[in-house]
Amino acid sequence: RKEVEQDPGPFNVPEGATVAFNCTYSNSASQSFFWYRQDCRKEPKLLMSVYSSGNEDGRFTAQLNRASQYISLLIRDSKLSDSATYLCVAISGAGSYQLTFGKGTKLSVIP
Amino acid sequence: DAGVIQSPRHEVTEMGQEVTLRCKPISGHNSLFWYRQTMMRGLELLIYFNNNVPIDDSGMPEDRFSAKMPNASFSTLKIQPSEPRDSAVYFCASSLGQREKLFFGSGTQLSVL
Repeated sequence: RKEVEQDPGPFNVPEGATVAFNCTYSNSASQSFFWYRQDCRKEPKLLMSVYSSGNEDGRFTAQLNRASQYISLLIRDSKLSDSATYLCVAISGAGSYQLTFGKGTKLSVIP
Repeated sequence: DAGVIQSPRHEVTEMGQEVTLRCKPISGHNSLFWYRQTMMRGLELLIYFNNNVPIDDSGMPEDRFSAKMPNASFSTLKIQPSEPRDSAVYFCASSLGQREKLFFGSGTQLSVL
């Protein structure tokens, strides 16, 4: 079983829609979580960190559910420029170090 | 500030040739990572260094792959001999610490014919 799983999509949504992605992780020792955005033929770029209490950055909201071992990303009022692949990352805490990327969820925002 | 710098951006080579990819991490970052990305397998961690020391190379596919970090500002990933199945985008990333956010270079698109 892959350690970090994401729905590959694609998610095709109209402009202005709200879309949510989930990412599940299997390592219960994971302590740090991030969402990255990757445009076609570009490198992944940090979108936002994910904090235990949940956090918001403009139209983007990230949440962590430790009990169910998943993180989520909510995008409100989708823009055409949000079209990209979104990757989640889980990093283990104390003990054996492990950093794992999901394979990404592709989002296409349609005019 | 300069980000992570990788070279070359593109490399086309023939099977059996040696390939060397280069990376300059962000100044002050203690951890450096080499990743390979393909459509089928996504981002795969090949190896990472902490304070110039290789910590985990379990992701290196086989003995044809080797990586070095002679100092805090430079790392190489070498494939010798290269094979067509090595074709992928290779990313280098650095971070302040092992559990901090990663900053990626622009990647090297490798094509082995």
